[in-house]
Amino acid sequence: DIQMTQSPSSLSASVGDRVTITCRASQSISIYLNWYQQKPGKAPNLLIYAASNLQSGVPSRFSGSGSGTDFTLTITTLQPEDFATYYCQQSYSGHGFTFGPGTKVAIK
Amino acid sequence: EGQLEESGGGLVQPGRSLRLSCAASGFTFKDYAMHWVRQAPGKGLEWVSSISWNSDIRDYADSVRGRFTISRDNAKKSFYLEMNRLSAEDTALYYCAKDRVGGSLDAFDMWGRGTMVTVSA
Repeated sequence: DIQMTQSPSSLSASVGDRVTITCRASQSISIYLNWYQQKPGKAPNLLIYAASNLQSGVPSRFSGSGSGTDFTLTITTLQPEDFATYYCQQSYSGHGFTFGPGTKVAIK
Repeated sequence: EGQLEESGGGLVQPGRSLRLSCAASGFTFKDYAMHWVRQAPGKGLEWVSSISWNSDIRDYADSVRGRFTISRDNAKKSFYLEMNRLSAEDTALYYCAKDRVGGSLDAFDMWGRGTMVTVSA
């Protein structure tokens, strides 16, 4: 099975900061990596699919990069509504859809 | 704008069974793979199961394989999760989700609000 890790597990940041979250897969998954945002009491929301493609309706301050085993989610200018937990997810064919453990972005 | 609505959650004793349903509206249900994801209280997301648009592909997390069965009824625009031999570790909020791309297994672009399953004596 493909295992996913994320770092950091949590971070504190201020409005306007640039934030980077890292996700690593236990084996190569090409570009089959998605990112989700989840706010308390709400369902997750797809931000990025196939490593770097912005989902429709998602602000352009969110971006993704990477391939193989190492991926990053970047928020260029953190906004108040961005304080949430972020999950990566692999979608490599035939290997299920494992989620990472999440990264909580909190207000400093 | 599409919508997904889960139902069937509740309190169930260990070892018993429960069937979750997810009703879809606002999109061509028969064209899309569908998924179940769960989240234990205070924990992260765990993918549970997926079914392709034509039911040919059904996949399960190791933690539920052999106990849970996913199915769908395209005529009713619904899909289901039959859960057997439930244990306390299955206690979670269960979300249903839609795949982003028709005919593929890709990413989850639409989610329901979830239905809570509590396994306790």
